[in-house]
Amino acid sequence: QVKLLQSGAALVKPGDSVKMSCKASGYTFTDYIIHWVKQSHGKSLEWIGFINPYSGGTNYNEQFKRKATLTVDKSSSTAYMEFSRLTSEDSAIYYCARWQQPYCFDYWGQGVMVTVSS
Amino acid sequence: DTVLTQSPALAVSPGERVSISCRASEGVNSYMHWYQQKPGQQPRLLIYKASNLASGVPARFSGSGSGTDFTLTIDPVEADDTATYFCQQSLNDWTFGGGTKLELK
Repeated sequence: QVKLLQSGAALVKPGDSVKMSCKASGYTFTDYIIHWVKQSHGKSLEWIGFINPYSGGTNYNEQFKRKATLTVDKSSSTAYMEFSRLTSEDSAIYYCARWQQPYCFDYWGQGVMVTVSS
Repeated sequence: DTVLTQSPALAVSPGERVSISCRASEGVNSYMHWYQQKPGQQPRLLIYKASNLASGVPARFSGSGSGTDFTLTIDPVEADDTATYFCQQSLNDWTFGGGTKLELK
């Protein structure tokens, strides 16, 4: 069955970076684009960007263009997101999700809680 | 950005029918999808392309609408349906509604 397994929670200091992973299983990794979504505490969902595991091509929400970097490792079927220059506003849960083109996100990872605190 | 507007909360009794609305600031054809999120869990796909039931989702859930106005209906509501429901559009990049928290009386 399709699974997206994300890395564990992270506690980081303001100004630092964090890199989180999303390991896919149960399907051919390069057949589906992976999106990343932010959910701040008690709030809605914001689209960060996506990466095409086949080509490595990316597309970012303008709001996160200088904040997020998306990469993949095809050999391990893993997608990564690095978030840089962290502030308290970046404290949130971050999800990866598989895109069932051209429509919905049909499978989601369990989320990574990132806490930015000194 | 295409802004999606949902009412923040609803309360219904088990066995009743509930409709959750989502209005888009511009037309999105049928590129509207619905997710359920329970506390501490990731979102779960319920409805895609406005009215198509996702795999494994009970037939109590249904979706309708096109253009700018969409509705998720649960009939009948069960206790396990307590959750927050989000709409999402995928025509103009990807944006989500603010979520509707469904509580049972």
